[in-house]
Amino acid sequence: QVQLQQSGPGLVKPSQTLSLTCAISGDSVSSNSAAWNWIRQSPSRGLEWLGRTYYRSKWYNDYAVSVKSRISINPDTSKNHFSLQLNSVTPEDTAVYYCARAAEGSSWFPSPFDYWGQGTLVTVSS
Amino acid sequence: QSVLTQPPSVSGAPGQRVTISCTGSSSNIGAAYDVHWYQQFPGTAPKLLISGNNNRPSGVPDRFSGSKSGTSASLAITGLQAEDEADYYCQSYDSSLSGGAFGGGTKLTVL
Repeated sequence: QVQLQQSGPGLVKPSQTLSLTCAISGDSVSSNSAAWNWIRQSPSRGLEWLGRTYYRSKWYNDYAVSVKSRISINPDTSKNHFSLQLNSVTPEDTAVYYCARAAEGSSWFPSPFDYWGQGTLVTVSS
Repeated sequence: QSVLTQPPSVSGAPGQRVTISCTGSSSNIGAAYDVHWYQQFPGTAPKLLISGNNNRPSGVPDRFSGSKSGTSASLAITGLQAEDEADYYCQSYDSSLSGGAFGGGTKLTVL
């Protein structure tokens, strides 16, 4: 059974960097058949996919256009986790942030998000 | 605004059938990308309900079904139960965004 456990601060000051970590159990961040995603949810923007990291002989990243200039998602194979960094945050970045796995062994495109972290409410405020 | 459009709310009495629509365009559902559906209860993460347009993951009751045609998809729930009261979201891929796309969500109320 795959489990994703999120950690990180719930309060970030404007202009600073939001940092969250997602620890994986029951799978590997280096899996050749999974992608590791960050998704956020807010009343104003709904569910919003932010980006992903995945390994296919080498590491790849894809990011949403809306945050591409500010985001970085990085794997850590030694700890079997992946992290989100979002720079220069504003109150608009206040949301519940989720990590999620997309299992890519099926023929579907896109792959569904079959396992989710518990969610972290991040508030951007001074 | 979400690129996939869902009705904000639907309702039905216990035992009835309800459907939730997800309307897209030629850059997402109409481009033959697959559609997935999620169920979310307050304070919890979304749960995968329907994958690949019409496939139920293990443990999902067969009261839930999905379909897709053209630029739209639908989620149908038959034999409505009080425990089905939740928010439902569709998800696909959008080529203009070059990434995942979600619907705005539909709140299901069981009367």
